[in-house]
Amino acid sequence: EVVLTQSPGTLSLSPGERATLSCRASQSVSSKYLAWYQQKPGQAPRLLIYGASSRAPGIADRFSGSGSGTDFTLTINRLEPEDFAVYYCQDFGTSRTFGQGTKVEFK
Amino acid sequence: EVHLLESGGGLVQPGGSLRLSCAASGFTFKNYAMTWVRQAPGKGLEWVSAITDDGYSTWHADSVKGRFTISRDNSKTTLYLQMNSLGAEDTAIYYCAKGSSASRPYYLEYWGQGTLVTVSA
Repeated sequence: EVVLTQSPGTLSLSPGERATLSCRASQSVSSKYLAWYQQKPGQAPRLLIYGASSRAPGIADRFSGSGSGTDFTLTINRLEPEDFAVYYCQDFGTSRTFGQGTKVEFK
Repeated sequence: EVHLLESGGGLVQPGGSLRLSCAASGFTFKNYAMTWVRQAPGKGLEWVSAITDDGYSTWHADSVKGRFTISRDNSKTTLYLQMNSLGAEDTAIYYCAKGSSASRPYYLEYWGQGTLVTVSA
């Protein structure tokens, strides 16, 4: 089973800054099958990125995904107040497992 | 607009059973795989069960295998999760989610708001 490890656990930033979130797989994952989700407190998760780098419909272009093999990154340029949330990566190709999440909080 | 509405959660004693439902609308339900994902209080997301568009293939996480059964009724556009032999470790919010295609692999395009299951004496 693929284990996804996200880092850091918590990222403390201010609005306008850039957030860089990492998702590392225990074995190679096809980039076609890597997704990112956002979850705000008290809400359901929302799809942000699929196929490692494709934005879901309606997702702002300040969100971008990249990576291949075992290392994937979600970048949020110019953080907006509504971006402070928890972010999860998922391998939906083989294991369907999620990473443990990265919380982006106000500094 | 895609809408997923879970129901059936509540308080149940250890060893008990519950059946969750997820009523779907806003898309052609019979054409898409569906999934249940759960989230224990203060914890991350855990994939639980998945089912293909036609219901013929199902998958369950090891943590629920033999206890949970996913099913669907395409005529009623409803997804189900039958949960038996519940334990405290099953306490969580259960989300249903729409897959991006009929079968694996697929990402989770839309999520319901979830239903809370609490297992406690």
